[in-house]
Amino acid sequence: SYVLTQPPSVSVAPGKPARITCGGNNIGSKSVQWYQQRSGQAPVLVIYHDSHRPSGIPERFSGSNSGNTATLTISGVEAGDEADYSCQVWDGTRDHPVFGGGTKLIVL
Amino acid sequence: EVQLLESGGGLVQPGGSLRLACATARFTFSNYAMNWVRQAPGKGLEWVSAINSDGSDTNYADSVRGRFTISRDVSQNTLYLQMNSLRAEDTAVYYCAKCSSASCYADPFDYWGQGTLVTVSA
Repeated sequence: SYVLTQPPSVSVAPGKPARITCGGNNIGSKSVQWYQQRSGQAPVLVIYHDSHRPSGIPERFSGSNSGNTATLTISGVEAGDEADYSCQVWDGTRDHPVFGGGTKLIVL
Repeated sequence: EVQLLESGGGLVQPGGSLRLACATARFTFSNYAMNWVRQAPGKGLEWVSAINSDGSDTNYADSVRGRFTISRDVSQNTLYLQMNSLRAEDTAVYYCAKCSSASCYADPFDYWGQGTLVTVSA
């Protein structure tokens, strides 16, 4: 099955940019979604189809996808951005969605 | 705002059964595929099962196929997950998640419920 690899954690100071990666074999050919999950809460969609933001998601959130890596970028990180972030794609071979293991964003 | 409210979780012994429900509101339930996604304690998200908009097509993760059954009741705007032969490794928070399309192929889960905890233990 298709495997998505994320770093366990990323630490960043407030006001600095955060970049969270999601690795997968030729992931650039797939559509990538990103979900934010604050502690004890349900996931929230923050990026879909690689780089699109749902309504209500701040412009600070952006996404890119090329080659074997997709990236979620949060420019000007705020304390409220501290959360787990998970990437997700569709595994066409198994015909179902697949999630990465999640990355904990730590705001210093 | 779309509403998804899960219920039916609880403590069950290994080998037992539970039926989860996800009551929905404020969108046309029959137009969208729906999913169950779970999260074991301290772990990442794991997709469990999906059903398309008219209920004619379902799919399951290998880990639950043959034990779990997804269904939907359009008259009640409710999604269900019947879980049989439960194992300790099924312990997790179970979320229902709405797809942004009728079939969910390569499309995002645009709304999630708050989840219901299932604990499988003797």
